[in-house]
Amino acid sequence: QQQVKQSPQSLIVQKGGISIINCAYENTAFDYFPWYQQFPGKGPALLIAIRPDVSEKKEGRFTISFNKSAKQFSLHIMDSQPGDSATYFCAASKGNQGGKLIFGQGTELSVKP
Amino acid sequence: NAGVTQTPKFQVLKTGQSMTLQCAQDMNHEYMSWYRQDPGMGLRLIHYSVGAGITDQGEVPNGYNVSRSTTEDFPLRLLSAAPSQTSVYFCAVRRTGWDEQFFGPGTRLTVL
Repeated sequence: QQQVKQSPQSLIVQKGGISIINCAYENTAFDYFPWYQQFPGKGPALLIAIRPDVSEKKEGRFTISFNKSAKQFSLHIMDSQPGDSATYFCAASKGNQGGKLIFGQGTELSVKP
Repeated sequence: NAGVTQTPKFQVLKTGQSMTLQCAQDMNHEYMSWYRQDPGMGLRLIHYSVGAGITDQGEVPNGYNVSRSTTEDFPLRLLSAAPSQTSVYFCAVRRTGWDEQFFGPGTRLTVL
């Protein structure tokens, strides 16, 4: 049972374009939704995170949009750059279980110059 | 500061062999966990620990054993390796009261 579903599996975007990755969750008890970025041969690193009391969070070129009623959240990468080429994972956890992250399947992003 | 270190980086085992994956941290964070990463499945939690002497199971604990005798170290033991345990293993740490988890560089394990 996949509690967090991520799409697409892979994404190719031209330099300067917008990359959009979507995630849907089932458990309404989840209240922390991070996005992790992973480069080949490295461990995942936190990119940006949101809690359900806000509908959007922006950090530089990265924005999380959150729709609580639809149980969906998405990552938008504006002005995508070749250096953004990586695998992106969404995740979710419950308040008192912040360390027990449930991950999506991952999206391999390739930004073409 | 090294942060989170994992050894070895790569390991090949034969079915039935045992081994221990090491995870060490110098961040003095209370929470440590082990995940495995498989293609198309994201990362899945194996075991975690909220402090020395306390461990609990995650999503996929079968075939793995852990113990936590110090704050710094959280080894993962495979008692009898199986091909299904071929994966990349990540250790992560988190400070109590904070959300962010810091991941180590990973160990790539192949079981033949």
